[in-house]
Amino acid sequence: AQSVTQLDSQVPVFEEAPVELRCNYSSSVSVYLFWYVQYPNQGLQLLLKYLSGSTLVKGINGFEAEFNKSQTSFHLRKPSVHISDTAEYFCAVNNQGGKLIFGQGTELSVKP
Amino acid sequence: DTGVSQDPRHKITKRGQNVTFRCDPISEHNRLYWYRQTLGQGPEFLTYFQNEAQLEKSRLLSDRFSAERPKGSFSTLEIQRTEQGDSAMYLCASRRGRGNSPLHFGNGTRLTVT
Repeated sequence: AQSVTQLDSQVPVFEEAPVELRCNYSSSVSVYLFWYVQYPNQGLQLLLKYLSGSTLVKGINGFEAEFNKSQTSFHLRKPSVHISDTAEYFCAVNNQGGKLIFGQGTELSVKP
Repeated sequence: DTGVSQDPRHKITKRGQNVTFRCDPISEHNRLYWYRQTLGQGPEFLTYFQNEAQLEKSRLLSDRFSAERPKGSFSTLEIQRTEQGDSAMYLCASRRGRGNSPLHFGNGTRLTVT
């Protein structure tokens, strides 16, 4: 069975600093990997996805993630964060069976 | 693409009452999913449909929960005899195709059971 572990429940960071949100997954088969962002009282919005090919994936709002098969990781990064990036971030894995399995989430708090 | 629509946005009910939520997926999306999210947690899978067929139900889904997707368009999620532990955000999502297409989420229905 697939599972996702987000290693940090909260990440405080100052504005314009770089940030990395960590995600590890477990799966015995090929996976598709996703990062979603959730703002308060809203649904989830797709940031980026890894399906195949290049291991470095670029998404919206300046975020990128790197797929590392040997370490079973899919960490999310941004070189310079803004106040508006304050939100909950979820990593998710999907095998070809159809459903998405989410991690527990990482709360990113950007301080001025 | 008008997005996934969920109704109502908020629902407050007393313990023991029945509630029903509606989800309208993006048109032409053949797969529809229901998730439940409690405070500080990631979304937990409940069930999903491919067209009108319910293909999988989570073990989390007790007998008090039932979902339908008649005609393969909108879906309803009903909770009978609500309990305080049912208080959560119920999220609906849809996608076209299978695992390599992303889920598109609605804004959710927040249920509070008093």
